[in-house]
Amino acid sequence: AQKITQTQPGMFVQEKEAVTLDCTYDTSDPSYGLFWYKQPSSGEMIFLIYQGSYDQQNATEGRYSLNFQKARKSANLVISASQLGDSAMYFCAMREGGAYKYIFGTGTRLKVLA
Amino acid sequence: DAGVIQSPRHEVTEMGQEVTLRCKPISGHNSLFWYRQTMMRGLELLIYFNNNVPIDDSGMPEDRFSAKMPNASFSTLKIQPSEPRDSAVYFCASSFIGAGVGEQYFGPGTRLTVT
Repeated sequence: AQKITQTQPGMFVQEKEAVTLDCTYDTSDPSYGLFWYKQPSSGEMIFLIYQGSYDQQNATEGRYSLNFQKARKSANLVISASQLGDSAMYFCAMREGGAYKYIFGTGTRLKVLA
Repeated sequence: DAGVIQSPRHEVTEMGQEVTLRCKPISGHNSLFWYRQTMMRGLELLIYFNNNVPIDDSGMPEDRFSAKMPNASFSTLKIQPSEPRDSAVYFCASSFIGAGVGEQYFGPGTRLTVT
């Protein structure tokens, strides 16, 4: 069954350092997409980055990169040079190729320390 | 583009009252999703539509909940009668599922409080 697991309920990182948020997934579909969303305290859900299962290279978007290890079924989010504004809840999500439904993880709350 | 629009942003109502939440998806998107978020249960998918047709409503908690999408630019989620346990933030999201990434874009949410 399709599943997303985020094992870190909360994390701290010092400002300007890099941080990795873990995400593992389970699917039997060879075609799927992986997504990361940010939810700051204001509540909105913001799309950050996408990785397709057939993509050869890891996705990058500014300070966000996705460490995609297909064999391990992991799609970790790396935030470089953390900023205070990165403090938020981060959700990993997956959608199988032929499906409409997105499966979300339980989220990781990140706190950036000054 | 204005993004996904939800109204109202906040709703406070008394138990037993009918509540209607509204959503306008991003123009050109063909799929629409209703989610509920609480501290206890996290983010729950309630129902989703593709081309205005409900595909899966298995996440709708009870018959008190109903959702419609009469056209591509409007959807409603109705709770009748409302109960205190329905208090949550309700998100609407839309996406284009077809060629491309198909990322979801979320509205700002409606914070519902049932007293």
